[in-house]
Amino acid sequence: KNQVEQSPQSLIILEGKNCTLQCNYTVSPFSNLRWYKQDTGRGPVSLTIMTFSENTKSNGRYTATLDADTKQSSLHITASQLSDSASYICVVSANFNKFYFGSGTKLNVKP
Amino acid sequence: EAGVAQSPRYKIIEKRQSVAFWCNPISGHATLYWYQQILGQGPKLLIQFQNNGVVDDSQLPKDRFSAERLKGVDSTLKIQPAKLEDSAVYLCASSLQGRETQYFGPGTRLLVL
Repeated sequence: KNQVEQSPQSLIILEGKNCTLQCNYTVSPFSNLRWYKQDTGRGPVSLTIMTFSENTKSNGRYTATLDADTKQSSLHITASQLSDSASYICVVSANFNKFYFGSGTKLNVKP
Repeated sequence: EAGVAQSPRYKIIEKRQSVAFWCNPISGHATLYWYQQILGQGPKLLIQFQNNGVVDDSQLPKDRFSAERLKGVDSTLKIQPAKLEDSAVYLCASSLQGRETQYFGPGTRLLVL
């Protein structure tokens, strides 16, 4: 069964600290993996996209990693800011046209 | 470049009433998606259009939900009659041809009382 599991479900960190969000998947055949950021009351916005051959992809303070062998991905946020408070959703694509969404990790950055 | 537009942003109705949502995708995007996002969960695909044809509606509750994209541009999603469990955010997204990054609208927040 194609599934995407994210952990933790929620996370609270202090401003300036780093954090890592996890995504495990069983989607097959794998095409790519995307991380989206969803601010409260808004639609998700793409942060990174990774294909099978890519191990790491950065977008500013966001760094995504992918281990296609273990079917795991992580999103690392460096020097967190209050504006990083949002839900982060992992989306795995199968056959490039079927998308499986995780339930998201809700991050709260406190001053 | 204008993003995906959705309206209304909020809607409150009573159960058994009907409601319709509208979406205008990014210009030139052939693929349009409607998602249902229940609080605390990730989006769940309801229906995917490629131009004006349906690609995937396997998770659309067809006894009460319907969607159309008659001219291959904007789209409407209708619920008739609504149930309490339909309370959710309805997100519309579009992409160039279906394989690329999806761009999401702000969503319509529906509350069914």
